[in-house]
Amino acid sequence: EAQVTQNPRYLITVTGKKLTVTCSQNMNHEYMSWYRQDPGLGLRQIYYSMNVEVTDKGDVPEGYKVSRKEKRNFPLILESPSPNQTSLYFCASSSTLAGGGNEQFFGPGTRLTVL
Amino acid sequence: QQQVKQSPQSLIVQKGGISIINCAYENTAFDYFPWYQQFPGKGPALLIAIRPDVSEKKEGRFTISFNKSAKQFSLHIMDSQPGDSATYFCAASMRWGGSTLGRLYFGRGTQLTVWP
Repeated sequence: EAQVTQNPRYLITVTGKKLTVTCSQNMNHEYMSWYRQDPGLGLRQIYYSMNVEVTDKGDVPEGYKVSRKEKRNFPLILESPSPNQTSLYFCASSSTLAGGGNEQFFGPGTRLTVL
Repeated sequence: QQQVKQSPQSLIVQKGGISIINCAYENTAFDYFPWYQQFPGKGPALLIAIRPDVSEKKEGRFTISFNKSAKQFSLHIMDSQPGDSATYFCAASMRWGGSTLGRLYFGRGTQLTVWP
Protein backbone atom coordinates (compact mmCIF):
# COMPACT_ATOMS: atom_id res chain seq x y z
CA GLU A 1 0.00 0.00 0.00
CA ALA A 2 1.31 3.41 -1.03
CA GLN A 3 1.68 5.53 2.05
CA VAL A 4 3.53 8.10 4.10
CA THR A 5 4.25 7.03 7.65
CA GLN A 6 5.20 9.21 10.60
CA ASN A 7 6.43 8.29 14.05
CA PRO A 8 5.58 8.92 16.76
CA ARG A 9 1.94 9.85 16.31
CA TYR A 10 1.78 11.56 19.69
CA LEU A 11 4.58 13.04 21.74
CA ILE A 12 4.72 15.01 24.96
CA THR A 13 8.11 16.38 25.87
CA VAL A 14 9.75 19.13 27.87
CA THR A 15 11.47 22.31 26.78
CA GLY A 16 14.99 21.77 25.50
CA LYS A 17 14.90 18.00 25.09
CA LYS A 18 15.99 17.14 21.56
CA LEU A 19 13.55 15.07 19.55
CA THR A 20 13.19 13.60 16.08
CA VAL A 21 10.00 12.88 14.18
CA THR A 22 10.52 10.34 11.44
CA CYS A 23 8.84 10.34 8.04
CA SER A 24 9.06 7.62 5.43
CA GLN A 25 7.36 7.12 2.06
CA ASN A 26 7.26 4.00 -0.11
CA MET A 27 6.29 5.65 -3.42
CA ASN A 28 9.79 6.59 -4.60
CA HIS A 29 8.80 10.25 -4.55
CA GLU A 30 11.39 12.93 -5.15
CA TYR A 31 9.67 15.71 -3.22
CA MET A 32 9.08 15.61 0.53
CA SER A 33 7.92 18.32 2.89
CA TRP A 34 7.09 19.08 6.50
CA TYR A 35 4.15 21.23 7.58
CA ARG A 36 2.79 22.36 10.88
CA GLN A 37 -0.92 22.94 11.36
CA ASP A 38 -2.21 25.41 13.92
CA PRO A 39 -5.79 26.64 14.44
CA GLY A 40 -6.56 29.60 12.21
CA LEU A 41 -3.19 29.43 10.48
CA GLY A 42 -3.73 26.45 8.24
CA LEU A 43 -0.79 24.44 6.92
CA ARG A 44 2.53 26.21 7.07
CA GLN A 45 5.55 24.70 5.40
CA ILE A 46 8.61 24.19 7.57
CA TYR A 47 11.15 22.61 5.21
CA TYR A 48 11.03 20.80 1.92
CA SER A 49 13.32 18.60 -0.10
CA MET A 50 13.36 18.20 -3.87
CA ASN A 51 15.57 15.13 -3.74
CA VAL A 52 18.34 13.40 -1.79
CA GLU A 53 20.71 15.92 -0.21
CA VAL A 54 18.61 18.85 -1.49
CA THR A 55 16.65 20.70 1.19
CA ASP A 56 15.34 24.23 1.53
CA LYS A 57 13.52 26.38 4.03
CA GLY A 58 9.79 26.85 3.89
CA ASP A 59 7.86 29.63 5.57
CA VAL A 60 8.52 28.76 9.24
CA PRO A 61 11.93 27.01 9.50
CA GLU A 62 13.15 28.57 12.76
CA GLY A 63 13.86 25.97 15.44
CA TYR A 64 13.77 23.01 13.06
CA LYS A 65 16.31 20.95 11.13
CA VAL A 66 15.90 18.32 8.44
CA SER A 67 18.06 15.95 6.46
CA ARG A 68 17.50 13.86 3.34
CA LYS A 69 20.13 11.16 3.19
CA GLU A 70 17.86 8.59 1.61
CA LYS A 71 15.08 9.13 -0.87
CA ARG A 72 12.42 7.50 1.29
CA ASN A 73 13.17 9.24 4.61
CA PHE A 74 12.87 12.86 5.69
CA PRO A 75 13.21 13.25 9.48
CA LEU A 76 12.30 16.46 11.29
CA ILE A 77 14.61 17.41 14.14
CA LEU A 78 13.87 19.81 16.98
CA GLU A 79 17.21 20.44 18.65
CA SER A 80 15.79 22.43 21.57
CA PRO A 81 11.99 22.35 21.51
CA SER A 82 10.04 25.24 22.96
CA PRO A 83 6.34 25.53 23.89
CA ASN A 84 5.60 27.55 20.72
CA GLN A 85 6.46 24.44 18.73
CA THR A 86 3.45 22.65 20.20
CA SER A 87 1.51 21.79 17.07
CA LEU A 88 0.24 19.13 14.70
CA TYR A 89 2.92 18.13 12.21
CA PHE A 90 2.44 16.56 8.80
CA CYS A 91 4.92 15.04 6.43
CA ALA A 92 4.03 14.86 2.74
CA SER A 93 5.54 13.58 -0.48
CA SER A 94 4.92 13.83 -4.20
CA SER A 95 6.47 12.90 -7.49
CA THR A 96 8.08 15.65 -9.53
CA LEU A 97 8.74 13.60 -12.62
CA ALA A 98 7.40 15.45 -15.67
CA GLY A 99 7.07 18.62 -13.63
CA GLY A 100 5.03 19.58 -10.61
CA GLY A 101 1.29 19.65 -10.28
CA ASN A 102 1.20 16.19 -8.82
CA GLU A 103 -0.83 14.91 -5.91
CA GLN A 104 0.85 15.43 -2.58
CA PHE A 105 0.36 12.52 -0.18
CA PHE A 106 0.19 13.32 3.51
CA GLY A 107 1.11 11.24 6.52
CA PRO A 108 -1.30 10.75 9.44
CA GLY A 109 0.22 13.54 11.52
CA THR A 110 2.23 13.84 14.73
CA ARG A 111 0.72 15.76 17.61
CA LEU A 112 3.54 17.33 19.60
CA THR A 113 3.17 18.99 22.98
CA VAL A 114 6.15 20.82 24.49
CA LEU A 115 5.77 21.62 28.18
CA GLN B 1 3.08 37.26 2.80
CA GLN B 2 0.39 34.72 2.21
CA GLN B 3 0.43 33.50 -1.38
CA VAL B 4 -3.12 32.12 -1.37
CA LYS B 5 -5.98 33.74 0.52
CA GLN B 6 -8.99 31.63 1.44
CA SER B 7 -12.43 32.52 2.74
CA PRO B 8 -14.53 31.98 4.72
CA GLN B 9 -12.67 30.56 7.70
CA SER B 10 -15.75 28.57 8.71
CA LEU B 11 -18.97 27.66 6.96
CA ILE B 12 -22.19 26.10 8.17
CA VAL B 13 -24.57 24.69 5.58
CA GLN B 14 -27.82 22.79 5.77
CA LYS B 15 -27.91 19.30 4.33
CA GLY B 16 -28.74 19.50 0.65
CA GLY B 17 -27.44 23.05 0.32
CA ILE B 18 -24.54 24.40 -1.70
CA SER B 19 -21.20 25.05 0.01
CA ILE B 20 -18.95 27.64 -1.62
CA ILE B 21 -15.35 28.32 -0.62
CA ASN B 22 -13.31 31.00 -2.33
CA CYS B 23 -9.59 31.49 -2.90
CA ALA B 24 -7.50 34.23 -4.46
CA TYR B 25 -3.86 34.39 -5.50
CA GLU B 26 -1.44 37.02 -6.76
CA ASN B 27 1.38 35.08 -8.41
CA THR B 28 0.49 34.69 -12.10
CA ALA B 29 3.13 31.94 -12.39
CA PHE B 30 0.83 29.56 -10.52
CA ASP B 31 -0.61 27.01 -12.91
CA TYR B 32 -1.97 24.20 -10.79
CA PHE B 33 -4.77 24.66 -8.25
CA PRO B 34 -5.75 21.71 -6.07
CA TRP B 35 -8.20 21.43 -3.23
CA TYR B 36 -7.46 19.20 -0.26
CA GLN B 37 -9.96 17.75 2.19
CA GLN B 38 -9.06 16.93 5.78
CA PHE B 39 -11.17 14.94 8.21
CA PRO B 40 -10.50 15.18 11.97
CA GLY B 41 -7.52 13.09 13.00
CA LYS B 42 -6.35 12.57 9.42
CA GLY B 43 -3.91 14.14 7.05
CA PRO B 44 -5.20 16.23 4.12
CA ALA B 45 -6.02 14.33 0.93
CA LEU B 46 -6.41 15.58 -2.62
CA LEU B 47 -10.06 16.18 -3.50
CA ILE B 48 -10.00 17.81 -6.93
CA ALA B 49 -7.60 19.97 -8.95
CA ILE B 50 -7.68 22.27 -11.96
CA ARG B 51 -5.21 23.72 -14.43
CA PRO B 52 -5.77 27.25 -15.77
CA ASP B 53 -6.52 26.16 -19.33
CA VAL B 54 -10.11 25.36 -18.27
CA SER B 55 -12.65 27.47 -16.38
CA GLU B 56 -14.43 24.65 -14.62
CA LYS B 57 -13.86 21.08 -13.51
CA LYS B 58 -16.51 18.84 -12.05
CA GLU B 59 -16.17 15.57 -10.21
CA GLY B 60 -19.42 14.29 -8.81
CA ARG B 61 -20.84 16.87 -6.42
CA PHE B 62 -17.59 18.85 -6.32
CA THR B 63 -16.84 21.60 -8.84
CA ILE B 64 -13.91 23.98 -9.16
CA SER B 65 -14.60 27.28 -10.89
CA PHE B 66 -11.55 29.17 -12.11
CA ASN B 67 -11.34 32.83 -13.13
CA LYS B 68 -7.89 33.49 -14.52
CA SER B 69 -8.35 37.21 -15.11
CA ALA B 70 -9.55 37.77 -11.53
CA LYS B 71 -6.97 35.35 -10.15
CA GLN B 72 -9.64 33.58 -8.17
CA PHE B 73 -10.92 30.04 -7.89
CA SER B 74 -13.62 28.45 -5.84
CA LEU B 75 -14.92 25.10 -4.69
CA HIS B 76 -18.63 24.37 -4.94
CA ILE B 77 -20.11 21.38 -3.12
CA MET B 78 -23.57 20.63 -4.42
CA ASP B 79 -26.15 18.77 -2.33
CA SER B 80 -23.88 19.05 0.72
CA GLN B 81 -23.99 16.06 3.07
CA PRO B 82 -23.03 15.64 6.74
CA GLY B 83 -20.19 13.39 5.53
CA ASP B 84 -18.71 16.42 3.75
CA SER B 85 -18.04 18.06 7.12
CA ALA B 86 -14.28 18.59 7.08
CA THR B 87 -11.62 21.22 6.66
CA TYR B 88 -10.95 22.25 3.08
CA PHE B 89 -7.71 23.78 1.86
CA CYS B 90 -7.11 25.44 -1.47
CA ALA B 91 -3.58 25.52 -2.80
CA ALA B 92 -1.52 26.67 -5.74
CA SER B 93 1.76 25.68 -7.30
CA MET B 94 3.91 26.05 -10.37
CA ARG B 95 4.23 22.95 -12.53
CA TRP B 96 7.58 24.15 -13.82
CA GLY B 97 8.80 25.98 -10.77
CA GLY B 98 12.55 25.48 -10.90
CA SER B 99 13.76 25.59 -7.32
CA THR B 100 10.18 25.49 -6.03
CA LEU B 101 9.13 22.51 -8.16
CA GLY B 102 6.57 20.51 -6.25
CA ARG B 103 5.97 23.15 -3.62
CA LEU B 104 2.31 23.79 -2.71
CA TYR B 105 1.18 27.12 -1.25
CA PHE B 106 -1.86 26.55 0.92
CA GLY B 107 -4.72 28.77 1.98
CA ARG B 108 -5.55 28.85 5.68
CA GLY B 109 -8.44 26.44 5.39
CA THR B 110 -12.22 26.47 5.76
CA GLN B 111 -13.96 24.38 8.37
CA LEU B 112 -17.21 23.16 6.81
CA THR B 113 -20.05 21.85 8.94
CA VAL B 114 -23.09 20.37 7.23
CA TRP B 115 -26.12 20.07 9.50
CA PRO B 116 -28.47 17.13 8.92
